[in-house]
Amino acid sequence: DPKIIQKPKYLVAVTGSEKILICEQYLGHNAMYWYRQSAKKPLEFMFSYSYQKLMDNQTASSRFQPQSSKKNHLDLQITALKPDDSATYFCAIGGQSQNTLYFGAGTRLSVL
Amino acid sequence: GDSVTQTEGQVALSEEDFLTIHCNYSASGYPALFWYVQYPGEGPQFLFRASRDKEKGSSRGFEATYNKETTSFHLQKASVQESDSAVYYCALIASSSFSKLVFGQGTSLSVVP
Repeated sequence: DPKIIQKPKYLVAVTGSEKILICEQYLGHNAMYWYRQSAKKPLEFMFSYSYQKLMDNQTASSRFQPQSSKKNHLDLQITALKPDDSATYFCAIGGQSQNTLYFGAGTRLSVL
Repeated sequence: GDSVTQTEGQVALSEEDFLTIHCNYSASGYPALFWYVQYPGEGPQFLFRASRDKEKGSSRGFEATYNKETTSFHLQKASVQESDSAVYYCALIASSSFSKLVFGQGTSLSVVP
């Protein structure tokens, strides 16, 4: 069974709408991350969280907001969606003590 | 800023060929270096890592040696199989960052029987 669950696997949205990408992990790690992969750019770091607190934010737009309601959750809310937001979004887990990140299967977002 | 450069965008080989994918990095201090592999429709999978100069990482027949002098971490495999076809990413975590992986552009490997 996968230990990093991302939902949904595929998502289609219209320009201007809002979506939430879900990430749950059952490996007991305290650090969680979001990465983005698009046709134009390789895997690109977005956010890192540790113990449900924001550690690093490399996303220029405030339209992207991570939400950590539980210890093993790090969802990604995206508002006012644009076609350029079309990409696959990966959740990852890991930690400084282990220094190795493990990725989920991703959510593929298409904005029309 | 920290960066990783993979020279080859695409590599096409026949089974049992020798593989080399070049990776060079730019970062201060001693970053941790990684290789990840990504299959279609999946997330990147951790292959192996190295953290010190001259340390060799290896997994599934793939290997790479950390070279601080040449700032390189080239991926090699002696005999590739069709099942090795995938995209390979070199990456680093700077010693000053909180486990923030910086990826190279990726190299698409295609192995034909």
